[in-house]
This record gives sequence, C-alpha cells and structure tokens, in this order.
Amino acid sequence: SAVISQKPSRDICQRGTSLTIQCQVDSQVTMMFWYRQQPGQSLTLIATANQGSEATYESGFVIDKFPISRPNLTFSTLTVSNMSPEDSSIYLCSAQGQSSYNEQFFGPGTRLTVL
Amino acid sequence: QKEVEQNSGPLSVPEGAIASLNCTYSDRGSQSFFWYRQYSGKSPELIMSIYSNGDKEDGRFTAQLNKASQYVSLLIRDSQPSDSATYLCAVRGGATNKLIFGTGTLLAVQP
Repeated sequence: SAVISQKPSRDICQRGTSLTIQCQVDSQVTMMFWYRQQPGQSLTLIATANQGSEATYESGFVIDKFPISRPNLTFSTLTVSNMSPEDSSIYLCSAQGQSSYNEQFFGPGTRLTVL
Repeated sequence: QKEVEQNSGPLSVPEGAIASLNCTYSDRGSQSFFWYRQYSGKSPELIMSIYSNGDKEDGRFTAQLNKASQYVSLLIRDSQPSDSATYLCAVRGGATNKLIFGTGTLLAVQP
C-alpha cells in the first residue's frame, strides 16, 4: 500500500486568505485525488489531480476556488482560495496504486478551520 | 436514489458477536468494491476489497458481494471494542474511475 503524508495537519485561517495543502506519496501512483469531509459527513470528491495537465473537477468545485497542481507522480497540492467559514472541513489526499486491484489509500488529512 | 447506500446506524453489538454491515449500490456496471474503517478524527483506512461475486475472508473480516442484487456486505467476527468506528462502503463506478462513498455505518461494540 502507498504511504501518504500531508502538510499541514491542521490550520486555522482568516476569512479571505488562501491555504495550500501538500500531499506526498512514497511511491509512484497512477491517480491522485482530493476529497473533502465535513463534520459527520462522508467523503466528497473535489477533483482528480492529473500529472502534467489540469485537474478534473467534480460538479460544484471550480479551479479558481480549488487550484490543484501535480508536477510529478508522487506529489500534489490543493489550494483553498479566498476562504470562508464554509470551507472549514477536513481535506484528504488520496492515491491509487499501480496494481491491478486499483486500491485507493488516504493521507492523514488536513483539518482546516476558517474564522 | 443514492449511488451507494448504507444504514447510518449506530449498529450496536456485544463484544464477541458478529457485526454485519450492509451496502447497496445503483450502478450495475460497477466492478470494484471496498470497505474502509474510519476512527473518529482519523482518515479512512482500507480494510477489504472485493471484485468477484462471493465471499472474501481476511482474518476476522469477510466481505460478501452479490452483483445481481447490487449488494455488498462486511462481516466482522468476534467483534472487539477496538472495532468501534465508522465503516464506509465505496464503489468504483463502471463508467468512471471514481470511487463513490456511502455515508458510512457507525459500529459500536459494547464490552
């Protein structure tokens, strides 16, 4: 299984600012994803981070608000821009390995609070 | 109809009993099915994956898949208090590579 790390683990930010979350995988992976999990809720896919090209966003999420980079096969960043209290959530990076089983693993998450 | 449905629980079982967690899905083309365990304040941890009809056992966990009924379940034998967590069912859609999650079932194992 892939080991995934995220930075920061948590942050408290002011309204209107931006935060960039970093995700590092210990091996090359085919797919990387960003999810959001609000308190007491299940996981919502924000976007698929594509290596060398623009991310693919899910309905309700836009690049201006959640720009994503993936410069190589082991690293991705998610920026939460112009934050509001509604952006307070846990943001999770996920990676899908190169095995035929397409198992998907999660990083420890970034707990974001926007004041 | 939600794409992946689970009973939110809580499901309460006594220690040592079998916990049975159920999940239904709507996309008949789905090929991959996963169970994740999520402790409070932690990220999801993959515990089982299943791809073919029937049962798959791993230690105290058994995943069961019935594609005709669009149903997947997770059995936990000899339940322990440490099994108390939210269990998320996830299905990879037939037409896309996206993992769709259910809302999760909260399991509480009573000592």
